[in-house]
Amino acid sequence: DTEVTQTPKHLVMGMTNKKSLKCEQHMGHRAMYWYKQKAKKPPELMFVYSYEKLSINESVPSRFSPECPNSSLLNLHLHALQPEDSALYLCASSQDEGTPYEQYFGPGTRLTVT
Amino acid sequence: GESVGLHLPTLSVQEGDNSIINCAYSNSASDYFIWYKQESGKGPQFIIDIRSNMDKRQGQRVTVLLNKTVKHLSLQIAATQPGDSAVYFCAENIYNQGGKLIFGQGTELSVKP
Repeated sequence: DTEVTQTPKHLVMGMTNKKSLKCEQHMGHRAMYWYKQKAKKPPELMFVYSYEKLSINESVPSRFSPECPNSSLLNLHLHALQPEDSALYLCASSQDEGTPYEQYFGPGTRLTVT
Repeated sequence: GESVGLHLPTLSVQEGDNSIINCAYSNSASDYFIWYKQESGKGPQFIIDIRSNMDKRQGQRVTVLLNKTVKHLSLQIAATQPGDSAVYFCAENIYNQGGKLIFGQGTELSVKP
């Protein structure tokens, strides 16, 4: 199984809402990632978790709050977002963070902030 | 190729021809490179990777070439098919920066039947 799953596929939320994005992998990978992708642009790294600990935060605003409950799950909690946060949010995983390996991406959650 | 502003570089090829997609990377300390394919509405899909101790790697219908002297990476697709139509991203991993991948701007490949 080389699949990374993400839910929901689409999400529309108001600026005062609180919502969460979920990501799951069952490949035994120990590194998991959140990326943000705007239309016609490359993915931009937001967070890296390695062995369930946050190892990289790319100066992401605090209205995005990641969580790694266990080695298979990664969440992204959203609160008080702005319309410019509308984007495709991608989750990825890789075998390890220390030695570079290919990252497997999920299909993404298309987020619209109204 | 590299893009400026909102426009992705595009490459249009005839079905059956070979395609070459280019990428200039930024950091001489990068030691690992990946090519991803992203179809509309989907996440990036791994195609092929190469480490900095190699200059060529071949997969099924794809070849990646790495020129460290000029910091250039290319992806060659043989006998391009309509299903190859997508946006292609190169990504680099900088030595000692953990799992952080830096993506290039992408190239849109369009295959004409």
